[in-house]
Amino acid sequence: AQSVTQLDSHVSVSEGTPVLLRCNYSSSYSPSLFWYVQHPNKGLQLLLKYTSAATLVKGINGFEAEFKKSETSFHLTKPSAHMSDAAEYFCVVSDASEGYSTLTFGKGTMLLVSP
Amino acid sequence: DAGVTQSPTHLIKTRGQQVTLRCSPKSGHDTVSWYQQALGQGPQFIFQYYEEEERQRGNFPDRFSGHQFPNYSSELNVNALLLGDSALYLCASSLVGTGLGTEAFFGQGTRLTVV
Repeated sequence: AQSVTQLDSHVSVSEGTPVLLRCNYSSSYSPSLFWYVQHPNKGLQLLLKYTSAATLVKGINGFEAEFKKSETSFHLTKPSAHMSDAAEYFCVVSDASEGYSTLTFGKGTMLLVSP
Repeated sequence: DAGVTQSPTHLIKTRGQQVTLRCSPKSGHDTVSWYQQALGQGPQFIFQYYEEEERQRGNFPDRFSGHQFPNYSSELNVNALLLGDSALYLCASSLVGTGLGTEAFFGQGTRLTVV
């Protein structure tokens, strides 16, 4: 079984300051991990994905995440927040244990960016 | 290239009624998954269709059923609607056989309200 825990339901930052969104996962198999972003009234957009290659993954819009197996973590970071980053972020694990790939989502972290 | 399209965008139904939601996958994709996103929660996996068959199912009752057509489009049917079925229903498409890390592309969703 696979699961994801997003440690913060809300994170507030000021524009231009660093962003850290925390995620811990549980998986019986070598997982793939993703971060998706959801802006209001819009669909989910993939930010980045980890698939057992480099442990530091770079995504779109300046986001990156580091896979740490020993800590079972996959935290999302960005050096400098922009107002347009305000949205809900989901950490996702995929465990194709039966050969099929389904996604298990965390409960989400709402990122608030103030001027 | 059209992405994943879902219809309708919004729907209001009465308790006990039945509803059908529709999804057209991204061009070239052959696998469709459905997710339910309740307010303030992360999406929950309902089921996945490939080659016109349900190949994996999440923890949802039999009132939730689906279908995939030869052109890979899909329908989600919910019978005997309950107030608790009110949610955003998301369709995701992907390409089978690409293994772990397959990116799923999401539609904008159908907002179902049960009154």
